[in-house]
Amino acid sequence: AQKVTQAQTEISVVEKEDVTLDCVYETRDTTYYLFWYKQPPSGELVFLIRRNSFDEQNEISGRYSWNFQKSTSSFNFTITASQVVDSAVYFCALSETGRRALTFGSGTRLQVQP
Amino acid sequence: GAGVSQTPSNKVTEKGKYVELRCDPISGHTALYWYRQSLGQGPEFLIYFQGTGAADDSGLPNDRFFAVRPEGSVSTLKIQRTERGDSAMYLCASSPQGGEQFFGPGTRLTVL
Repeated sequence: AQKVTQAQTEISVVEKEDVTLDCVYETRDTTYYLFWYKQPPSGELVFLIRRNSFDEQNEISGRYSWNFQKSTSSFNFTITASQVVDSAVYFCALSETGRRALTFGSGTRLQVQP
Repeated sequence: GAGVSQTPSNKVTEKGKYVELRCDPISGHTALYWYRQSLGQGPEFLIYFQGTGAADDSGLPNDRFFAVRPEGSVSTLKIQRTERGDSAMYLCASSPQGGEQFFGPGTRLTVL
């Protein structure tokens, strides 16, 4: 069975600091997808990224970057120069081949103080 | 364009009552998903539709929960004989074939 662990329950940083959110996953499949979603105070989940298990290249999108390492089953998310608007709960998720259901971690609440 | 919409946004009911939660997916999205999110937790998968049929209902917790999507668009999640433990945010998502899931704002269900 698949499992996603986000060990950091809550992180608080000051604006402009860099912050990394950890995600560790378990799956028996060799082919799977990993995701990150943002849930701001308004409550609606916002898709950030999807990564195929065959693609271990790191990805950067503006201030966001993702580090995928199959050797440690981790898919960590870094926000550079954090801003107050980054304050939200961030979820890492996994889906296995042939199954569209997402398995979510318990989320990391990020508070960015001005 | 319009995103996923869910109605009602809030539903308060009494233990033992029947409730229906509605989801309108993004136009053209063939897949539709229901998840349940308890306070402080990540969403948990309930059921997934591809077109009109339930392709995966392995997440439904028991036979009090049922969902339909009769015309391959709007879906209704039905909960019979509600219990206090059913209180949660119920999230709907839709996706194009093979694409990312886009979530709606959710329906907060409170069972008194």
